[in-house]
Amino acid sequence: EPEVTQTPSHQVTQMGQEVILRCVPISNHLYFYWYRQILGQKVEFLVSFYNNEISEKSEIFDDQFSVERPDGSNFTLKIRSTKLEDSAMYFCASSTTGLPGYTFGSGTRLTVV
Amino acid sequence: AQRVTQPEKLLSVFKGAPVELKCNYSYSGSPELFWYVQYSRQRLQLLLRHISRESIKGFTADLNKGETSFHLKKPFAQEEDSAMYYCALSRNNNDMRFGAGTRLTVKP
Repeated sequence: EPEVTQTPSHQVTQMGQEVILRCVPISNHLYFYWYRQILGQKVEFLVSFYNNEISEKSEIFDDQFSVERPDGSNFTLKIRSTKLEDSAMYFCASSTTGLPGYTFGSGTRLTVV
Repeated sequence: AQRVTQPEKLLSVFKGAPVELKCNYSYSGSPELFWYVQYSRQRLQLLLRHISRESIKGFTADLNKGETSFHLKKPFAQEEDSAMYYCALSRNNNDMRFGAGTRLTVKP
């Protein structure tokens, strides 16, 4: 069964540093998403991406965040200057047109120290 | 605005007992509703979607538009059902809003 792949599984970074979280969505999927889950809290929508542009973003997704699909396979989330409160699990997801329900990756645990 | 409410953070039942995880939503349009499950240290997995009216691992969920609910039910809980369960609402394929989740513990 096809999977959404995320790397790394765990990343530790110093406050103020830039991080890039990487995702390889399922190959024939067209919609891409990032979600995050702060420890003990619910899964929160960050951003959706379609046709090489952001289609929707939440209030969490401020100027510190950006997404990119640099080539035909990767989908990245960049946090420009990390803060302690950015520590969370970040989930990538993808879906194909007309099929509701996402396929999630296994997540990247980001720890900002 | 769309909102998903899961009133119970924790739910504990004994093996073999029926289980119901509650989910209520608010949305002015026609929602698409889902249940996701997250086993310990694993990824979120789609469990059910209301449009397919399927039963997965013995779980079912019926959309009740009058009560704006989408409760997840299983007649006989198993220990391997212990996990976090998230109800989610999608208004299109652009974003999905999750409830806070319910941690189900099935005791032997």
